[in-house]
Order: sequence, then structure tokens, then C-alpha cells
Amino acid sequence: NAGVMQNPRHLVRRRGQEARLRCSPMKGHSHVYWYRQLPEEGLKFMVYLQKENIIDESGMPKERFSAEFPKEGPSILRIQQVVRGDSAAYFCASSRDGTSYEQYFGPGTRLTVT
Amino acid sequence: GENVEQHPSTLSVQEGDSAVIKCTYSDSASNYFPWYKQELGKRPQLIIDIRSNVGEKKDQRIAVTLNKTAKHFSLHITETQPEDSAVYFCAATADSNYQLIWGAGTKLIIKP
Repeated sequence: NAGVMQNPRHLVRRRGQEARLRCSPMKGHSHVYWYRQLPEEGLKFMVYLQKENIIDESGMPKERFSAEFPKEGPSILRIQQVVRGDSAAYFCASSRDGTSYEQYFGPGTRLTVT
Repeated sequence: GENVEQHPSTLSVQEGDSAVIKCTYSDSASNYFPWYKQELGKRPQLIIDIRSNVGEKKDQRIAVTLNKTAKHFSLHITETQPEDSAVYFCAATADSNYQLIWGAGTKLIIKP
């Protein structure tokens, strides 16, 4: 049973470009959470999704950031017109279908904006 | 909504000694309390969790205790080893929708 997969592991973008981060949950999991982590800091919740549905996006910046979790395929976190302040590690986690709190994390995508 | 506070932010202990990290939560309805360990450059990993129907849970050198009345829970690591050096995060459930509310993290340093 493969764990949570994220790709790419490292992503370099120039200011103004778009960044697309992908997350495939564990098999049998249908809940996905995205977190941002700056160096030496904690996990900042961004968005919580189920398939085809955004449950809570209270942690997501209102502009430039969007997330989706389609019926087929991975969850995508999209950052448009990236700025240097977007440089961080982005982790996704998944949990089972509405009966479990345990979250399992992917390896993260380290985004660097130059 | 739920709020989780974690102390201390940094903890330095001698190898072989015990380490205790404490978290408090605000929502008495919270019923699940996990602890995650994050080594430098790695993903957070679930190391132990406890539900509100028990007061203590052990797994080898780590244990978690829960005081529902006082609304706090603690992580205990005995006989600390260099590989225990990491950042530890506590969390508690939100009042709905299976979210976790996270503490700010504790950087544990094991001195040789």
C-alpha cells in the first residue's frame, strides 16, 4: 500500500510564474489536506478537500492560490504569479473516508521562487 | 473553535534523560490527540495518538497522557537517544469535519 505521494519534490519558479503541486493520497483515502511550512516554523493549514468538494479553505490566501481534488487523479495546489514569499515546503496529508482523524503526510514539495 | 497551545518551544535534554512536552486545548468536545515527529527535511510522521476515552497510552519509550478535566495532554519520551532529536507537533480535533488543529511545535535537542 503506497503512502501519500507528492510531486515534484523540488520546484523552482521565477517570480510571476505558476506553480502546480500534486498530491496522490494513500489508497482508500478520500480526504486531502494541504499545509505550508516555512523554515523553522510550524504547519500552517491551507485547505481541506474531499473528492470534487472543498470542505474548508479558511487557511488559503484569497488571491493567487487555488486547490482541487477531482474525481479522478491527484489533488492539485495551484499558485499563480508566484512571489518570493511563496517559497516554502508544501505538505499534503490524507485520511480515510470520513471515519478517521489520522492524517498521513507526503514527503512535501519544496518550492523556491527566484 | 479549537485552539492548541504547545510548550516549550525548545527543549534540550541530556541523552538518557526523559523529555516531556505539553499541550493544552480549548474545546472540551475534542476527542482525538495525535503527536507527530518531524526530522529535519522530512515529513511529519504520526508517532502516537490517544482518544478521549483513555488516560494514557504507551509504545516502548514514548507515552501520551491525557487530562480531560484540565484539557491538557503530554508526550513523554524516556531514555532519550540522539535519534529522538526532531520537532514534535501535537494536535487536537476541531469541533467538526475531521480537521486537526495543530500546536506550534517543540524542537527537542538531545545532548550527547
